[in-house]
Amino acid sequence: SQTIHQWPATLVQPVGSPLSLECTVEGTSNPNLYWYRQAAGRGLQLLFYSVGIGQISSEVPQNLSASRPQDRQFILSSKKLLLSDSGFYLCAWIGFNEKLFFGSGTQLSVL
Amino acid sequence: QKEVEQNSGPLSVPEGAIASLNCTYSDRGSQSFFWYRQYSGKSPELIMSIYSNGDKEDGRFTAQLNKASQYVSLLIRDSQPSDSATYLCAAGQSGSARQLTFGSGTQLTVLP
Repeated sequence: SQTIHQWPATLVQPVGSPLSLECTVEGTSNPNLYWYRQAAGRGLQLLFYSVGIGQISSEVPQNLSASRPQDRQFILSSKKLLLSDSGFYLCAWIGFNEKLFFGSGTQLSVL
Repeated sequence: QKEVEQNSGPLSVPEGAIASLNCTYSDRGSQSFFWYRQYSGKSPELIMSIYSNGDKEDGRFTAQLNKASQYVSLLIRDSQPSDSATYLCAAGQSGSARQLTFGSGTQLTVLP
């Protein structure tokens, strides 16, 4: 069965510091992968999606970037975090019949 | 702008009652509809999907879709305190989560 790993679970970072969140998927090949952000009390906002190695599409202009160095690895990065980058970050992959499956998430607090 | 609207709640029901969660969507081209359950501090978990008009039942959960009214609902029968969570509705077109739009969620509390 497919599993999706995401770490770290919690992160507290100062404004202006860099960020790297990692996501890996097991049990499937060439998955379509997604990064979402969820602000407190808000819905899910799609940030990036990737259909393959090196292929990244950005949905929202922002202070973040994404990379896909390997088939089952998806990384979310920032060079300098802003207060507004705080939120719950979720990696996801899409399975059969457009069903979206999420990793456990990273709660990021930028102070 | 594609939108999915949900009553944010909180919705409170007594244990054993039926909880009814509602969702409307703006994009008439939407073909796929999903309900996710999200416990506080956890990631969303898919609990129901529905693609055609009518009802779809899975255990204590029933999803209802009315494309003419652009309306999706989730019924939870025999509600349990463990059902207390935020329920996210999502609507999309086929092929990619890029087309998937999420509502902001309805917070459900089941009172013992």
